[in-house]
Formats: sequence, structure tokens, C-alpha cells
Amino acid sequence: GNSVTQMEGPVTLSEEAFLTINCTYTATGYPSLFWYVQYPGEGLQLLLKATKADDKGSNKGFEATYRKETTSFHLEKGSVQVSDSAVYFCALTGTYKYIFGTGTRLKVLA
Amino acid sequence: ETGVTQSPTHLIKTRGQQVTLRCSSQSGHNTVSWYQQALGQGPQFIFQYYREEENGRGNFPPRFSGLQFPNYSSELNVNALELDDSALYLCASSFGMGQGIDNEQFFGPGTRLTVL
Repeated sequence: GNSVTQMEGPVTLSEEAFLTINCTYTATGYPSLFWYVQYPGEGLQLLLKATKADDKGSNKGFEATYRKETTSFHLEKGSVQVSDSAVYFCALTGTYKYIFGTGTRLKVLA
Repeated sequence: ETGVTQSPTHLIKTRGQQVTLRCSSQSGHNTVSWYQQALGQGPQFIFQYYREEENGRGNFPPRFSGLQFPNYSSELNVNALELDDSALYLCASSFGMGQGIDNEQFFGPGTRLTVL
């Protein structure tokens, strides 16, 4: 079945550093891919999405490209801010459900 | 357009009790999915309701049950609560059941359940 593997956290960066959070997936067919962000004590917020190979999703300075050849959807941001501190989840569509990774906690220090 | 809403926001129960969580779907959506997110974990699919019938189910015991109403709102019921049921319960609504972006799921803010 479909599955998602995310890099383990926590990831600790200084403000303005470059961010990469790795996500790889296993899937049959052509799932859509998502990155969600969860701030402390809150629910999930959709950060970005991509629906087909080579699509690039972007939002708030974050980007991820749907790479079918490497089955990856890595999240990147060129310059992180303290306000980006949160847990990030990679997800894909399975049969009638979403399948999530275990999440990667990001902590950005001023 | 109103998004997905859930109630209550927080809930505290004791082991063995029963709980009902509620979800109102986004306008125009006819499908509701429920997820359980334990502390430090990603959300896990519980089940989905489409047109008032259970459409699919994850690896959860029968004491997790649900309902969908004609207005597409939904309830999640958990009987005989256990300590491990403590989690954030997320509801997501969508239109239809497929995997396409037309069936994208939109998540509510969640209900945090604590079982003592």
C-alpha cells in the first residue's frame, strides 16, 4: 500500500538558514502529495500541494517538487524565520484517505 | 464559505466512559473522514463516511463508530475509552471519494481528547 517516510526530527536551525525536510513515498498510481504544518496546540494547515509529476507547490516561501523518478517531495525554504517553528507533515492520497508521515519538528532559533 | 468545524475543542473523560465528537463539513462537501493523531505522531485514518454510509475503515476496533447525517455533518463515537485513546481527533471533509485533487480533504481544527 501507499506509505510516506519523513526524516526524523527535531531539526534545529538558526534564523535565515536554509531548510530541507526530506520526504519519500511509496505509491501505486499517481497520488497527490501534500505538506501540512501544525503549530503547537493547533490542527493541521495545508502548506502546499502538488498533483502530478514535476509539479512544484509553493507557499509562504516554502517549495516542494513532485519527483516521480526519485519518489520524493522534499520541503525547502531559503531563509527560515522563528515563526516557522512547528511540526511539518508530508502526506499523500491513498484509497479514500490521506496517509501521513510521522512529522518533523522544526525549531528555529533567533 | 464556512470551513470545517469541530466540537468540542477539548474534552476530558475517564477510562471506560463513552464520548461523542462532532464535525460540520465545509459547504458543498458530502464526505467526512476522521483521523486520530496521538502525541508525537502523524494522523491515522479511522474511517470515512460518504452519503451517510461508512465507505472505508482504518485499523481501529469496533468501539470506534460513526454517523453521517443528511446535512453531511458527522459524529465520531468511542465506547469504553482507554488511556491510549487520548489524542487529537481530526475531521476532514471533501466532495466525493476519489484521489484526485477535486476530492481534496479539508481539515478542521480538531478535538483534543484526554482520557484519565
